[in-house]
Amino acid sequence: GAGVSQTPSNKVTEKGKYVELRCDPISGHTALYWYRQSLGQGPEFLIYFQGTGAADDSGLPNDRFFAVRPEGSVSTLKIQRTERGDSAVYLCASSQGVGTGGHNEQFFGPGTRLTVL
Amino acid sequence: RKEVEQDPGPFNVPEGATVAFNCTYSNSASQSFFWYRQDCRKEPKLLMSVYSSGNEDGRFTAQLNRASQYISLLIRDSKLSDSATYLCAVKSRGYQKVTFGTGTKLQVIP
Repeated sequence: GAGVSQTPSNKVTEKGKYVELRCDPISGHTALYWYRQSLGQGPEFLIYFQGTGAADDSGLPNDRFFAVRPEGSVSTLKIQRTERGDSAVYLCASSQGVGTGGHNEQFFGPGTRLTVL
Repeated sequence: RKEVEQDPGPFNVPEGATVAFNCTYSNSASQSFFWYRQDCRKEPKLLMSVYSSGNEDGRFTAQLNRASQYISLLIRDSKLSDSATYLCAVKSRGYQKVTFGTGTKLQVIP
């Protein structure tokens, strides 16, 4: 089946602008995660959804970052008043969800490369 | 101290060699462990989950040492196509977020 998809693949914006990044998880996966990755670093956790609700948003760096998943499938990460330091690859992952047994492995999408000028 | 630590490398090894990476974690409540492979400018791809008893998948063997709080990845008979960055990842009991190391870069040389 199809994997996790993310759009756009690249986004260039100017400092102070608002951006939205979209993630479409693997069909049937109830859990969805957002990470960001800077050069030379591992992915850094931002937020986790189980269904429609944000079960853990402890990784969001500040209140300029917000994410929604209104119907429990597609998710949008929203960044207000972008700063140059927000430049990174934003990765989305999905998993079958808690209580499905096993290690609940996460599978990643190709990411959105965000550049803030 | 970082929650998950890896030697960034690079590890340069000849084809056919055996190479091993370690990854240490600081949270004793860590419950699930993973190795991911990441190619340049691509997303991380799950290589294998790490089970308490250790597990093997072809040329790849993963081990967990809870007492010393580290996991390892052994690659036998290295291929040129194994060249990538290998990320270890750890999940704590009761949480779903995964904490990644910075990755270890492997370059297999002809």
